[in-house]
Amino acid sequence: EAQVTQNPRYLITVTGKKLTVTCSQNMNHEYMSWYRQDPGLGLRQIYYSMNVEVTDKGDVPEGYKVSRKEKRNFPLILESPSPNQTSLYFCASSGLAGGREQFFGPGTRLTVL
Amino acid sequence: QKEVEQDPGPLSVPEGAIVSLNCTYSNSAFQYFMWYRQYSRKGPELLMYTYSSGNKEDGRFTAQVDKSSKYISLFIRDSQPSDSATYLCAMTGGGFKTIFGAGTRLFVKA
Repeated sequence: EAQVTQNPRYLITVTGKKLTVTCSQNMNHEYMSWYRQDPGLGLRQIYYSMNVEVTDKGDVPEGYKVSRKEKRNFPLILESPSPNQTSLYFCASSGLAGGREQFFGPGTRLTVL
Repeated sequence: QKEVEQDPGPLSVPEGAIVSLNCTYSNSAFQYFMWYRQYSRKGPELLMYTYSSGNKEDGRFTAQVDKSSKYISLFIRDSQPSDSATYLCAMTGGGFKTIFGAGTRLFVKA
């Protein structure tokens, strides 16, 4: 089954404790992206990747890091999480140029205390 | 001012009604216009996308883009309770940066 998977689905952590949210896709897509979703603000793009070893900032990259060492994986790293990073996070992938027709993962709900 | 504006609703309609969802935008560089549907506790799923101006129809759904007015619409005909969800518009300039609207919550009453 074609899908985007994220782990963990739920995470509660404390300020300053480094964490990684994994994202994997099995569709051989070149484009992958991370979003956060907050009430009233919709989805905001954090980082995106056009291919292996090629990443760029979205609208809200501060406090986040990404890497793309393999085509299928695109982990999101929070080196020192803060409470304002409490949010619902989505990973997405696309096989089309321009990032249209994105397939989304099920989401990761992160709470930073 | 946000690059993409979308009325958050909620919008409540009776079953069978025609639903109109809209977004306005400010960046004239946007070329691809997408509509996603998001059910509660799920990730968004693509309904359809259009390139530049014009209409596109897929079953009960019709997407319209008016680039001169910087205005896009999604029409849902014969709405069903299963259409109850949040609808997100999204836009990209052909690069890989994607801007989403805040989403409109739709309730279709049986």
